[in-house]
Amino acid sequence: GAGVSQSPSNKVTEKGKDVELRCDPISGHTALYWYRQSLGQGLEFLIYFQGNSAPDKSGLPSDRFSAERTGGSVSTLTIQRTQQEDSAVYLCASSLDFGRAVGGYTFGSGTRLTVV
Amino acid sequence: AQKVTQAQTEISVVEKEDVTLDCVYETRDTTYYLFWYKQPPSGELVFLIRRNSFDEQNEISGRYSWNFQKSTSSFNFTITASQVVDSAVYFCALRAGEKLTFGTGTRLTIIP
Repeated sequence: GAGVSQSPSNKVTEKGKDVELRCDPISGHTALYWYRQSLGQGLEFLIYFQGNSAPDKSGLPSDRFSAERTGGSVSTLTIQRTQQEDSAVYLCASSLDFGRAVGGYTFGSGTRLTVV
Repeated sequence: AQKVTQAQTEISVVEKEDVTLDCVYETRDTTYYLFWYKQPPSGELVFLIRRNSFDEQNEISGRYSWNFQKSTSSFNFTITASQVVDSAVYFCALRAGEKLTFGTGTRLTIIP
């Protein structure tokens, strides 16, 4: 597609339920990032995928968070047993292999997660 | 470890004034990349500029200009003759190694 697509755009879930957030990167982009932005805050790094390399999971806040990227394209971020502090906007970004990229990372519109 | 500091949390200026947003970064890498992103009220992050550590040439794009100074580890962003549409949160970011690190952002409000 033309841009990074994230779904759903909004998700309200009950505390304790699991949620899955999806990211469709730009076709051909090998790098994919997940970030979290809490209300009025900056962007918190969660996880990074680059091609077939093992992902950098150093930003995941707890073992309730996991992510996978199938076929080097679509990525799913899963939050198990959601808590109210998980409420945030989850942003996905993709880019070409950075050595070939001349621009920046392209971000999706995000998924606004509300845990009630 | 790398770090980006945007000390200005919020700035308000009257339309047509010039405004500079500060960004100071820390990294031990000799090769790195700096970015500015704009986040309007709609929420989507809009890429504005990327600079490489080996290129300190300043850049101007219309009303926007960027001043990159390695000696002070700063990458400041100036908007000339500000307009109401410039109201947004602006993020500075650093890529050293594989990870992109963001500052906490500066909320800019342009008063008509």
